[in-house]
Amino acid sequence: KQEVTQIPAALSVPEGENLVLNCSFTDSAIYNLQWFRQDPGKGLTSLLLIQSSQREQTSGRLNASLDKSSGRSTLYIAASQPGDSATYLCAVITGANNLFFGTGTRLTVIP
Amino acid sequence: DAGVIQSPRHEVTEMGQEVTLRCKPISGHDYLFWYRQTMMRGLELLIYFNNNVPIDDSGMPEDRFSAKMPNASFSTLKIQPSEPRDSAVYFCASSHPTGPQHFGDGTRLSIL
Repeated sequence: KQEVTQIPAALSVPEGENLVLNCSFTDSAIYNLQWFRQDPGKGLTSLLLIQSSQREQTSGRLNASLDKSSGRSTLYIAASQPGDSATYLCAVITGANNLFFGTGTRLTVIP
Repeated sequence: DAGVIQSPRHEVTEMGQEVTLRCKPISGHDYLFWYRQTMMRGLELLIYFNNNVPIDDSGMPEDRFSAKMPNASFSTLKIQPSEPRDSAVYFCASSHPTGPQHFGDGTRLSIL
């Protein structure tokens, strides 16, 4: 069964710093990988979706990379802002359109 | 453009009662998913539908849980009878076949 791990579980950085969140998965036979943001009391907001044939996706200050062979993905956030404070989840999607989620990284950006 | 709409946002009920959670997916999305989120287990997929047909319900914890999708614009997740360990946040999501999943705001369920 696919297992998805996110490190670190929590991260606190000063405003303006660049940061990297890590995601690893055990089965490289994935269809794509999705990064989400979760704010308290809210549903998950999809940030970036990387197809299995792609190596990275960018949206604004966010850049996500995917290395299927090593079972790793990273989410890079440039010039962090207090509004980026949230829990970030990665999920891998199998060919059956099932999502396997990591446990998340709780990010706090300190003004 | 309206997103995925879930109701109620919060539900508090006593154990043994029937609980019905509702979801309206984004119009045109072929897939609908039900998830449960707890602190201990994170976010887990319970069941998903394709074109109103249940495809995989292997994540449904037990027979007390059932889900239906009578039409393309409505789905329900029912728990009968409810138990305290069912307390969690339940999310509904919808998507096109290969697109990102869009989530509702969730239903926070507390079983006393």
